Amino acid sequence: GQNIDQPTEMTATEGAIVQINCTYQTSGFNGLFWYQQHAGEAPTFLSYNVLDGLEEKGRFSSFLSRSKGYSYLLLKELQMKDSASYLCAVREDTDKLIFGTGTRLQVFP
Amino acid sequence: EAGVAQSPRYKIIEKRQSVAFWCNPISGHATLYWYQQILGQGPKLLIQFQNNGVVDDSQLPKDRFSAERLKGVDSTLKIQPAKLEDSAVYLCASTTSSGIYYEQYFGPGTRLTVT
Repeated sequence: GQNIDQPTEMTATEGAIVQINCTYQTSGFNGLFWYQQHAGEAPTFLSYNVLDGLEEKGRFSSFLSRSKGYSYLLLKELQMKDSASYLCAVREDTDKLIFGTGTRLQVFP
Repeated sequence: EAGVAQSPRYKIIEKRQSVAFWCNPISGHATLYWYQQILGQGPKLLIQFQNNGVVDDSQLPKDRFSAERLKGVDSTLKIQPAKLEDSAVYLCASTTSSGIYYEQYFGPGTRLTVT
């Protein structure tokens, strides 16, 4: 079956570091995406991992372990504007994306 | 480069009525997706087109939902008749290829409220 798990909600303080975990079990695997979605807006692309390891892009980094079915998104130097939902999605063999339910992150001053 | 366009942005209808949504993908993008996103959940794929052919519609409730992409560009998604549980945001996305690097670009969505 298909299953993507991520925490429902997280809170953090401005300037801190937060790690959002995602575990997955899917019938095929062709890469893992992280998307950011502000309330009432469309998801926007953050990162894409297809090989094991860490991908860094500015304040955001994403890690993948295919053998463990595990990924995390690391956000550093948190800003108030980072308050949003973060969606983990697995790309299956047919280019279909399976999304998790999303993690709602609230950043407090 | 223009993004994925969708209309209308908002729609309120009564149950048992019909509604249609329109999507214009990014120019040159062969693959088009329709997703349903219920409040508090991640997007769920309804249908995937490659040019004007259907690749996956396994999660499309075919008794009430239909979609077409006649000329391999614009697409419409229709619900007839609508139910209360269809209240959601309907997102359209497109992508250019299935190469190693791949990204889906999302439109702003249509927020449907069924009363």
